[in-house]
Amino acid sequence: QSALTQPASVSGSPGQSITISCTGTSSDVGSYNLVSWYQQHPGKAPKLMIYEGSKRPSGVSNRFSGSKSGNTASLTISGLQAEDEADYYCCSYAGSNTHVVFGGGTKLTVL
Amino acid sequence: EVQLVESGGGLVQPGRSLRLSCAASGFTFDDYAMYWVRQAPGKGLEWVSGISWNSGAIGYADSVKGRFTISRDNAKNSLYLQMNSLRAEDTALYYCAKDLLYHYDILTGHMDVWGKGTTVTVSS
Repeated sequence: QSALTQPASVSGSPGQSITISCTGTSSDVGSYNLVSWYQQHPGKAPKLMIYEGSKRPSGVSNRFSGSKSGNTASLTISGLQAEDEADYYCCSYAGSNTHVVFGGGTKLTVL
Repeated sequence: EVQLVESGGGLVQPGRSLRLSCAASGFTFDDYAMYWVRQAPGKGLEWVSGISWNSGAIGYADSVKGRFTISRDNAKNSLYLQMNSLRAEDTALYYCAKDLLYHYDILTGHMDVWGKGTTVTVSS
């Protein structure tokens, strides 16, 4: 079970847009439309931001969007705000043997 | 209010066992898959185990396979994780989480409700 690959860190200024990539394989991200993204602030439980690759749960800002191309999923945050500074994790269904795999996480810094 | 409350964590010696519990409220527990996810100090999230709504799909991370057992008691709205042969590398905050999707027969990894976690420390 290899973790999905995310950049360790990304940064952006308030108002800008950033994109976090999540690279998997044809056994997980590439084969299923079951990628989710989580936001985690220090000392807090993770929060679901995106599911099924591009859908937002109720209450999540439309500044957050998800997409996928081949084996790589992406999370885009537009109109960056200070409160977006957090760790972000991708997660994918990986078939009936491996089931679920997380990415290593990306620390977003709002400059 | 939808809520998950974990319990059962603590300090345990290597090789010993521990049983975690997760009490669910505010939703129809037996309609959703449930998960255990852990986070070692200063590290990222690691999926540990999951069980579908009808227990038809059960899965474990390779790192815990053969040592940990997940179960659920729908009558008690509770999820459990029996952890045997504990190792130092099992030290982490263990979260219980609920799947977003209703009556899915697979473990989607879409976790919309999380508890606050219970800490497990494995040390002599």
